[in-house]
Amino acid sequence: DVKVTQSSRYLVKRTGEKVFLECVQDMDHENMFWYRQDPGLGLRLIYFSYDVKMKEKGDIPEGYSVSREKKERFSLILESASTNQTSMYLCASTRWALGDYGYTFGSGTRLTVV
Amino acid sequence: ILNVEQSPQSLHVQEGDSTNFTCSFPSSNFYALHWYRWETAKSPEALFVMTLNGDEKKKGRISATLNTKEGYSYLYIKGSQPEDSATYLCASVGLKGQTPLVFGKGTRLSVIA
Repeated sequence: DVKVTQSSRYLVKRTGEKVFLECVQDMDHENMFWYRQDPGLGLRLIYFSYDVKMKEKGDIPEGYSVSREKKERFSLILESASTNQTSMYLCASTRWALGDYGYTFGSGTRLTVV
Repeated sequence: ILNVEQSPQSLHVQEGDSTNFTCSFPSSNFYALHWYRWETAKSPEALFVMTLNGDEKKKGRISATLNTKEGYSYLYIKGSQPEDSATYLCASVGLKGQTPLVFGKGTRLSVIA
């Protein structure tokens, strides 16, 4: 069974902390994505990557960075966590960049910044 | 910027009822349309990917249609069951094709037994 695994289901961090959200996929997918989901706002794209060491900004990249050193792992970094980054974070991957193929999602990380 | 709209925002139906909801997208900037089901405490799961005008896809009691000329897709659920309770997301990809999915805000369906 193909999988996208996010390292933590729930996370509580303090304001100002550096936070790492990890995502690993075992499907040899080139393309990986980070979204956040907030009530009333839907899924919004933070960053994405079409290849190792490659990254592109999504619609809301401010306050975030990413790292893709290996094909299977895509990390989202909150440089200095703030309360407005409290959210559900979803990682996804797909084999082809073309939109013909469905995304496989992780189960999400619910981050609370206090 | 691609704008994907879904309606209604939420829906409550009785078990056994059939229901449908709508996804609209810019017809002038279309490559593909995706539907996902997101159950509480689970990962969003891909239901359908459609690219051709007039496309109709079916998975059990759930089906979807696509009208690319007018920019909308319908998702139908026949004989709703409590296990159909979930948020249904649609997402669109623009003309270039090689861009990330842009999601609508979802329709939250509750099926009451």
